[in-house]
Amino acid sequence: DADVTQTPRNRITKTGKRIMLECSQTKGHDRMYWYRQDPGLGLRLIYYSFDVKDINKGEISDGYSVSRQAQAKFSLSLESAIPNQTALYFCATSEGIRLAGGSETQYFGPGTRLLVL
Amino acid sequence: QQQVKQSPQSLIVQKGGIPIINCAYENTAFDYFPWYQQFPGKGPALLIAIRPDVSEKKEGRFTISFNKSAKQFSLHIMDSQPGDSATYFCAASKAGGGADGLTFGKGTHLIIQP
Repeated sequence: DADVTQTPRNRITKTGKRIMLECSQTKGHDRMYWYRQDPGLGLRLIYYSFDVKDINKGEISDGYSVSRQAQAKFSLSLESAIPNQTALYFCATSEGIRLAGGSETQYFGPGTRLLVL
Repeated sequence: QQQVKQSPQSLIVQKGGIPIINCAYENTAFDYFPWYQQFPGKGPALLIAIRPDVSEKKEGRFTISFNKSAKQFSLHIMDSQPGDSATYFCAASKAGGGADGLTFGKGTHLIIQP
């Protein structure tokens, strides 16, 4: 979905390096999420944010940190990358339930393929 | 602990057949059950979703069947086409609009043969 963009699309890095994955959205959604996808494991939630002041850990947050710079931007950082973090990373957004009829649909970006050597 | 179990892991069906993908959940706090479709090189996209107050939902050729007592739900694709070849994920979220994110199954790689 072009409304959710991720940069870079592909990244190769070395063990111990710090890297940042960026996500931007033009959907005007408050809620943003970072997921990790591994073959045979599906998608697992890393962090999620309700707004710029509300950030929460997901199922697999160890080794990751996030920053919500603005409503439209949510970045994921690997402070010291390890080969185990080689995966496909997805950012997603959702409108959430504000009023009756609010949508729970999550809209995913195209993903960032990360290889840690 | 895997909260949403999905099967099969892979599935091959002839064009026109009806692939069925099954999911089972454990957490009774889940109250929203979407299915996502993912094509190679793309992010997942919502296909269809159901809440536990209904037992079936249809959207075009896609149907969700839901069994609350068994804590199971399944996706059926009628008159399947080669363009339906993709990876399908079931998911679940708790009350409150899925505020804490979706819990996904491990995915089913579906191939529809011409």
